Amino acid sequence: GAVVSQHPSRVICKSGTSVKIECRSLDFQATTMFWYRQFPKQSLMLMATSNEGSKATYEQGVEKDKFLINHASLTLSTLTVTSAHPEDSSFYICSARDLLGREAFFGQGTRLTVV
Amino acid sequence: DQQVKQNSPSLSVQEGRISILNCDYTNSMFDYFLWYKKYPAEGPTFLISISSIKDKNEDGRFTVFLNKSAKHLSLHIVPSQPGDSAVYFCAASGAGGTSYGKLTFGQGTILTVHP
Repeated sequence: GAVVSQHPSRVICKSGTSVKIECRSLDFQATTMFWYRQFPKQSLMLMATSNEGSKATYEQGVEKDKFLINHASLTLSTLTVTSAHPEDSSFYICSARDLLGREAFFGQGTRLTVV
Repeated sequence: DQQVKQNSPSLSVQEGRISILNCDYTNSMFDYFLWYKKYPAEGPTFLISISSIKDKNEDGRFTVFLNKSAKHLSLHIVPSQPGDSAVYFCAASGAGGTSYGKLTFGQGTILTVHP
């Protein structure tokens, strides 16, 4: 399957700071990438759809000013958690779809801890 | 509103026997279904998928069955192996280009295969 790389895998930051998470499609071009969030022992919840060259589409209840998404190229999308709070601590996962198929391939995830 | 439901939080199976994981959905607009395997602190790994125009798809030890009238799908793993122990997520997506890759996940089922 297609390879999606996410970086960093773990990050600890102080409250009030911003953290950037990168998601790269390594062997294919992805005009659309997706950002999910998973709380402990819960399902993956879609946060937003990242569209190359245009604004992201956010799901209901997700603050667009807090979770900034940039999809500057066909292989890279970034999620920036701004003014991080402890309640933002979670597991963030990106995915991308190969243009020819309907399977979505996921990155390794990023464990964010805000202290 | 949980559109994709996995009602069994956990399943325990003996090695060599069949594992059957179930998933129900409520949104009739879903037309593509996927199963993912996930370990803690890692991104989901794609296992197998099925389009709504089919009722069965097989790939090695994994078979997915879809019953559209019942809005139910199941993943069969046979024979089960200890390495199959993980959390299994059922996911669904709708038709249309903008929905491709945008997944709605179930809550997950923890599968434990005992030697």
